[in-house]
Amino acid sequence: GAVVSQHPSWVICKSGTSVKIECRSLDFQATTMFWYRQFPKQSLMLMATSNEGSKATYEQGVEKDKFLINHASLTLSTLTVTSAHPEDSSFYICSAPPSGTSTDTQYFGPGTRLTVL
Amino acid sequence: GQNIDQPTEMTATEGAIVQINCTYQTSGFNGLFWYQQHAGEAPTFLSYNVLDGLEEKGRFSSFLSRSKGYSYLLLKELQMKDSASYLCAVPRIPGGGNKLTFGTGTQLKVEL
Repeated sequence: GAVVSQHPSWVICKSGTSVKIECRSLDFQATTMFWYRQFPKQSLMLMATSNEGSKATYEQGVEKDKFLINHASLTLSTLTVTSAHPEDSSFYICSAPPSGTSTDTQYFGPGTRLTVL
Repeated sequence: GQNIDQPTEMTATEGAIVQINCTYQTSGFNGLFWYQQHAGEAPTFLSYNVLDGLEEKGRFSSFLSRSKGYSYLLLKELQMKDSASYLCAVPRIPGGGNKLTFGTGTQLKVEL
């Protein structure tokens, strides 16, 4: 089946630094990718939609200047958490529906655990 | 808006059958997903129901009643490895079929 990878799988950083998380579709192209965040014992919450060739769209309450998204190619989207703070510590998961597929086809990456000290 | 409710936790015995319920309120409807998520891992797809009725896939079955805004996931012959969180999700409307709104998930613990 289709595979989505994320890098790194975990990262620990100091407060105030920026962290970049990559999401790659390994064997298919994705014009759209989604970024979710999951706090402990909570469900996944959609943060933003990454669009290849255009600006990302953000969900209400998500700061676009803090969570920078770049969809560099049809197989790569990056999420940069700028000036990270302890409250940004969370599990970040990307998902990608292969271009041209129907609603029920979507693949999730393995997630990135961010811990901000 | 969309609202999804699931029980927070359930416990069942190995070899038994367990039913995990999900109720939803949405302004529109374009199907319902069930995902399994082990701790620290990404969700994995279990089922997608768009029509009423029961769909069986091995040990897992999923049921949907659109008129009642209700779905359940049925797990048979439980195994220890089935201990995980089970997430109910619906596509966001409006917003496109691939944006999902997730429930809080049901943490299932399978015991000997």
